[in-house]
Amino acid sequence: EAGVVQSPRYKIIEKKQPVAFWCNPISGHNTLYWYRQNLGQGPELLIRYENEEAVDDSQLPKDRFSAERLKGVDSTLKIQPAELGDSAVYLCASSLGWWGNTGELFFGEGSRLTVL
Amino acid sequence: SQQGEEDPQALSIQEGENATMNCSYKTSINNLQWYRQNSGRGLVHLILIRSNEREKHSGRLRVTLDTSKKSSSLLITASRAADTASYFCATLSRGNTPLVFGKGTRLSVIA
Repeated sequence: EAGVVQSPRYKIIEKKQPVAFWCNPISGHNTLYWYRQNLGQGPELLIRYENEEAVDDSQLPKDRFSAERLKGVDSTLKIQPAELGDSAVYLCASSLGWWGNTGELFFGEGSRLTVL
Repeated sequence: SQQGEEDPQALSIQEGENATMNCSYKTSINNLQWYRQNSGRGLVHLILIRSNEREKHSGRLRVTLDTSKKSSSLLITASRAADTASYFCATLSRGNTPLVFGKGTRLSVIA
């Protein structure tokens, strides 16, 4: 069974440029998460989707970040314009729906963003 | 913000020794999970312990949970060089809430 797939793995851009990350979750997983992980830190939640609905986006900087999950399957996270402080690894994860679920997450390999 | 706090931040041991990492958290939980992250990779789920459990084993892993102290420990026995990674605890609170991660412990196992 394929795991969570993310692309690109690495991206280097100049500040003020836009960037987008894509994630395809494990088939059948209703819940999708985007986490940001700064160097030496643990992952911090940006947004969580239950199917197509964003149920938790309180930590998403909405002035420059946007996300979508059309058709409740794959998802895109966009940053426009990027700032130096956005340099981090962006991790996508998926899980079964929260109801009756233990909350175990399956992570992709991450997209490492460097903003120059 | 991150709920879990791992201790120590970094740990270096010889191959064959046991490694113990601790995690403290702040609020009531449904379960607590431990993940491993190899350098440059995503996180991998290791083990989950529910709030009504006190100890759990999986291979060379032993996890304990003390809800009265809001703390957990992860023991890796007979460590190997391949165990070198960062280890994160993550807590799942009651209700429809997402998993919250700590800052991690960086384990180095020297051959």
